Amino acid sequence: DAGVIQSPRHEVTEMGQEVTLRCKLISGHNSLFWYRQTMMRGLELLIYFNNNVPIDDSGMPEDRFSAKMPNASFSTLKIQPSEPRDSAVYFCASSLFGSTDTQYFGPGTRLTVL
Amino acid sequence: DQQVKQNSPSLSVQEGRISILNCDYTNSMFDYFLWYKKYPAEGPTFLISISSIKDKNEDGRFTVFLNKSAKHLSLHIVPSQPGDSAVYFCAASSPSNTGKLIFGQGTTLQVKP
Repeated sequence: DAGVIQSPRHEVTEMGQEVTLRCKLISGHNSLFWYRQTMMRGLELLIYFNNNVPIDDSGMPEDRFSAKMPNASFSTLKIQPSEPRDSAVYFCASSLFGSTDTQYFGPGTRLTVL
Repeated sequence: DQQVKQNSPSLSVQEGRISILNCDYTNSMFDYFLWYKKYPAEGPTFLISISSIKDKNEDGRFTVFLNKSAKHLSLHIVPSQPGDSAVYFCAASSPSNTGKLIFGQGTTLQVKP
C-alpha cells in the first residue's frame, strides 16, 4: 500500500513567487497534518485537518500561508509570496483519526527560496 | 516557548551498548508522549509511545520511561545497532491543546560499529 506522497520533492524558487506543495494521504486516513522542519525550530505543526475540516491552524506563520483539502485524499499548502525565511523541509502526514493516532509522514519537500 | 526540549543535539555510542535519549517538557497537561525516528531524506516514522498513566513501555530493543514529577522522558535502545543511527524526535500532546503533537528539536544518534 502506498504511503503518503508529496510533490515536488525539491523546489527552488525566487523571493516573491508563489509556491504550492502537494500531498496525497494514505487511503482511508481521515486526518492530515502539515509540518515544517528548520534547524532553529525543529519540527513544528502548521495546520491539521480532520475529515477535511481545519482543526488547528495556530501554527500557520502568517497570511502568506494557506492550506486546503479539496477532497478527502489530497491537500495543498500554498505560500504566496514566498520569502527566503520560508526555506525549510515541509512534511505532510496522515493518520486514521486524530493527532494522537500514529501519524505516517511523507518524504518531505525541501523548499529553497532565493 | 519550547514546550518540549531535547537538550542534546547529538549522541554517539558504540554498537552493542545502550543509547539513552532524553526529553524534557514544561506543560503538565501533556498526557501522551511519542518517539519518532527519522533517516536522512525520509519523513519521521513512529517508534514507540507512552500514556501518562504508565511510567514504562517496552517494544523489543526500545523502552520509553516517563517521570511525570520531573516532566522527563527517555528512550533506551538496548543493544544499539548501526541501523539505529538517525534523528530521534520526542513529541507530546494534551487534550486541552486540540491534541496536536508538539515536537522537540531532535537528537542525532550515531551508533559506531
